[in-house]
Amino acid sequence: EIVLTQSPGTLSLSPGERATLSCRASQSFASSYLAWYQQKPGQAPRLVIYGASNRATGIPDRFSGSGSGTDFTLTISRLEPEDFAVYYCQQYGTSPPWTFGQGTKVEIK
Amino acid sequence: QVQLVQSGAEVKKPGASVKVSCKASGYTFTGYYMHWVRQAPGQGLEWMGWINPNSGGTIYAQKFQGRVTMTRDTSLSTAYMELSRLRSDDTAVYYCARYYGSFDYWGQGTLVTVSS
Repeated sequence: EIVLTQSPGTLSLSPGERATLSCRASQSFASSYLAWYQQKPGQAPRLVIYGASNRATGIPDRFSGSGSGTDFTLTISRLEPEDFAVYYCQQYGTSPPWTFGQGTKVEIK
Repeated sequence: QVQLVQSGAEVKKPGASVKVSCKASGYTFTGYYMHWVRQAPGQGLEWMGWINPNSGGTIYAQKFQGRVTMTRDTSLSTAYMELSRLRSDDTAVYYCARYYGSFDYWGQGTLVTVSS
């Protein structure tokens, strides 16, 4: 089983600042199979990035993803008020189970 | 537009079973795998498994094998997830999610509460 470890657990930032979220895997896998999801309280997760670096439909270009192997990053270039949420990375397309990281909460400072 | 609409909240006693439905619309139901993911209160996301709506084939996370059954009714474009021998730690929101290169659409979630 591939374990995904996200850091930091909580990121306290102000609107307009840059957010950098990390996702580290216990073993290497193809970057094609790394996604990031945003979840706000009381809502279902929303796909933000797939294939490590591809923005999902409707996601603004201030969101970007990068990485390969075991280290992946989600960057939000300038935080907007609606970006404050919990973000999860996920690996998929490999042998099951398809695992999620434990999440990074981006909160308003 | 693609929609996944799940059944309503459930309250069950320990040892009972629950069956959650996920009705798909706006796309060809049999063309995309359907996954199930759960989230305990205040916790992260946990993948449970998938069903191929075309063949009915399933893959379950080892943690749930023997307790979970995923089925579908293609005439209703609906996927189902049944979890048996419920315990208090099965209390969670259960989501269905369509797989298309990633989980691109999610249901609204179904809260299952297990309490005596």
